[in-house]
Amino acid sequence: KAGVTQTPRYLIKTRGQQVTLSCSPISGHRSVSWYQQTPGQGLQFLFEYFSETQRNKGNFPGRFSGRQFSNSRSEMNVSTLELGDSALYLCASSSWTGYSDEQFFGPGTRLTVL
Amino acid sequence: AQSVTQLGSHVSVSEGALVLLRCNYSSSVPPYLFWYVQYPNQGLQLLLKYTTGATLVKGINGFEAEFKKSETSFHLTKPSAHMSDAAEYFCAVSDGGATNKLIFGTGTLLAVQP
Repeated sequence: KAGVTQTPRYLIKTRGQQVTLSCSPISGHRSVSWYQQTPGQGLQFLFEYFSETQRNKGNFPGRFSGRQFSNSRSEMNVSTLELGDSALYLCASSSWTGYSDEQFFGPGTRLTVL
Repeated sequence: AQSVTQLGSHVSVSEGALVLLRCNYSSSVPPYLFWYVQYPNQGLQLLLKYTTGATLVKGINGFEAEFKKSETSFHLTKPSAHMSDAAEYFCAVSDGGATNKLIFGTGTLLAVQP
């Protein structure tokens, strides 16, 4: 079974631009979560989607948004990029039969904002 | 609100020595606890999880952790460190409710000396 894939793996943008990151979950998984990882703030939850609905959202500004498609693939978008948005963005998928389920993480997209 | 504290951002051990990585949690509901490992330029991989039942949990690669409710701890151990164990380790607690949101600790970088 293929794992979680994220594209692109690396991205360089400049301040003010916007970016879209993509995540393809493991086949059959309906829950997709996004996390931001930075040296200063560590791993922080962005949002979670389940069956195309946002089920939970972290404490991030409205510039961060996401969506999930009917095939469970998910995208997150960051508008008006700031230097502080430079981070590793991780996507995780789960079949979610309960909140103790294992989440499978992708390799991440490393975003650099110049 | 749930939270996790990892004591020691850097831990160094000799190959063959005991590995002990500390994690304390705070949770308003019965906690579901996880340990993840992250190798350079990779996503997170689940080592083990505690949900209910046996308090000593065995995971992959020879790691285990013991849930101690009285101490609100979930420390990760491995009897004998191997060079391949060098990585960053994250303790996490489920946020509870109908969500897959995980609250992560700040991580412990494990170095293994030959």
